[in-house]
Amino acid sequence: ETGVTQTPRHLVMGMTNKKSLKCEQHLGHNAMYWYKQSAKKPLELMFVYSLEERVENNSVPSRFSPECPNSSHLFLHLHTLQPEDSALYLCASSRQTGTDYGYTFGSGTRLTVV
Amino acid sequence: RKEVEQDPGPFNVPEGATVAFNCTYSNSASQSFFWYRQDCRKEPKLLMSVYSSGNEDGRFTAQLNRASQYISLLIRDSKLSDSATYLCGTGRRALTFGSGTRLQVQP
Repeated sequence: ETGVTQTPRHLVMGMTNKKSLKCEQHLGHNAMYWYKQSAKKPLELMFVYSLEERVENNSVPSRFSPECPNSSHLFLHLHTLQPEDSALYLCASSRQTGTDYGYTFGSGTRLTVV
Repeated sequence: RKEVEQDPGPFNVPEGATVAFNCTYSNSASQSFFWYRQDCRKEPKLLMSVYSSGNEDGRFTAQLNRASQYISLLIRDSKLSDSATYLCGTGRRALTFGSGTRLQVQP
């Protein structure tokens, strides 16, 4: 078990739909992250949360809306997405923000926007 | 210039070979360095941290060269199971990753 669980594993949505991605970590970590991984591109950092407070928003379009109700759960709410938003969305956690500690990734949600 | 750059490969090597990858980074303030392994359609998994003094874990050796701003990963006695994409990650406030180097170990 990875310690970071993401659901759903796969998601197909239309451009007018609203959906949410869920991430849960069982590691007692205080920091959580959303990354986007498109084909043949590096992982792109989207959002950083530390103890439920958003500490970084990497110029992500407003059609992506994160929510962190507690230090164990992280959501990514999606609405009116574009086909170019199709990608693997990865959640990660670490003991603290910063880079002293490696990140543990979830299995990801493979999103297809049609 | 990209913040973190890697040769995408693929590196095709026979079993038992020694292979090395480099990763260059542009942010001189980067504090931490990691190598991750990512199998096809799976999530990245932490392979090893990279320390200033270099570190070794079995067949894997990681080195950091701060002066030239690169890190390296050396894999000795390659196994078929080493076939994967190797990502380097570095940064100061959050990890930035390279696009990865694909390794294919052949029988």
